[in-house]
Amino acid sequence: KQEVTQIPAALSVPEGENLVLNCSFTDSAIYNLQWFRQDPGKGLTSLLLIQSSQREQTSGRLNASLDKSSGRSTLYIAASQPGDSATYLCAVGGNDMRFGAGTRLTVKP
Amino acid sequence: GAVVSQHPSWVICKSGTSVKIECRSLDFQATTMFWYRQFPKQSLMLMATSNEGSKATYEQGVEKDKFLINHASLTLSTLTVTSAHPEDSSFYICSAKRPPNSPLHFGNGTRLTVT
Repeated sequence: KQEVTQIPAALSVPEGENLVLNCSFTDSAIYNLQWFRQDPGKGLTSLLLIQSSQREQTSGRLNASLDKSSGRSTLYIAASQPGDSATYLCAVGGNDMRFGAGTRLTVKP
Repeated sequence: GAVVSQHPSWVICKSGTSVKIECRSLDFQATTMFWYRQFPKQSLMLMATSNEGSKATYEQGVEKDKFLINHASLTLSTLTVTSAHPEDSSFYICSAKRPPNSPLHFGNGTRLTVT
């Protein structure tokens, strides 16, 4: 059974700092990995999708990497802003995705 | 814009009643949709996979008779929480994807409160 772990569970940084969120998974036989953002009481917003054959994806200040062999992914956020404050979830799998518990990010002005 | 629509966004019901939640794919056909449940400050837990034209596949520990799933068309799946109890209060989210190997799109979720 796929298990997804996210570290740290919570992170607080000052505005402008670069940061890295980590995601690890136990079963490397995945089709893709997806990073989401969730604001309190809201649904999920897809940030980046990495196919199993890819190593990384970039969108604006976000960069996600994937290392299937080691079962790890990182989400890099450059020049963080208060508006980045949210919970970040990674999900792995194929048709049905399994989620980590998330990292709650707070960016202080 | 949103590609998956979920309705209602919130609902309050009395214990013992049933509640239906709808999930629609707006501009694509989804042969498969997924229903997740999220407790406060916890991650999403997959409840079941909804398959168009056939029975849903439930995850271990999810009661089929309590959480009825119907996927009657390629753009609509419904989740009915039957005989709801306060412990069923949660955030329910559906998702769908355009095949193949495409991002999973989520609805905005339904906050269910059972009093």
